[in-house]
Amino acid sequence: EVQLVESGGGLVQPGGSLRLSCAASGFTFSSYEMNWVRQAPGKGLEWVSYISSSGSTIYYADSVKGRFTISRDNAKNSLYLQMNSLRAEDTAVYYCARENGVAPLDYWGQGTLVTVSS
Amino acid sequence: QSALTQPPSASGSPGQSVTISCTGTSSDVGGYNYVSWYQQHPGKAPKLMIYEVSKRPSGVPDRFSGSKSGNTASLTVSGLQAEDEADYYCSSYAGSNNFYVFGTGTKVTVL
Repeated sequence: EVQLVESGGGLVQPGGSLRLSCAASGFTFSSYEMNWVRQAPGKGLEWVSYISSSGSTIYYADSVKGRFTISRDNAKNSLYLQMNSLRAEDTAVYYCARENGVAPLDYWGQGTLVTVSS
Repeated sequence: QSALTQPPSASGSPGQSVTISCTGTSSDVGGYNYVSWYQQHPGKAPKLMIYEVSKRPSGVPDRFSGSKSGNTASLTVSGLQAEDEADYYCSSYAGSNNFYVFGTGTKVTVL
């Protein structure tokens, strides 16, 4: 069974940093591209970042470019999102999601809540 | 990276059909056949319902269908059931500059 489990969320002050993790199991993690998607409270989905299966190709949404860094460790079946210079508008549930082909995100984690507030 | 435009709400009685539109531009929806649709129940993670405009993942009922014309994609839910009441989001590949973009979301109510 495919499982994605996010962790690392919490309360952080504006300007602070946080590192999210996503532990994958039930599939060959190194064969799949991965994404982070976030959802602010009561709002819609927003794509955040993409990383290829090898980690060699990475993309970011303009809203996080220069502040967030996506990475993966295929040996540990793990995906990461390093978030720096956090702002109130980064407050959201952050989901990791597996990509199967071009664009379809076929499995999602349960999400981890990040709250940026003083 | 502007969000794709969806109607805020749609509704139908059990057994009826409802269609949700998703309007983008030639740089996303109109430029690629990589439109997906997601269903999200309150407090839950999104679930993939349609990919590549009209394909259904294994396990998704054939009551769900997708199509595209120009810069607008559509999701149709036929034979509405109570469990179809949820938020629905479209998304599209948008090229190497903007990569992925989601729709604004549509709340479907089963009357």
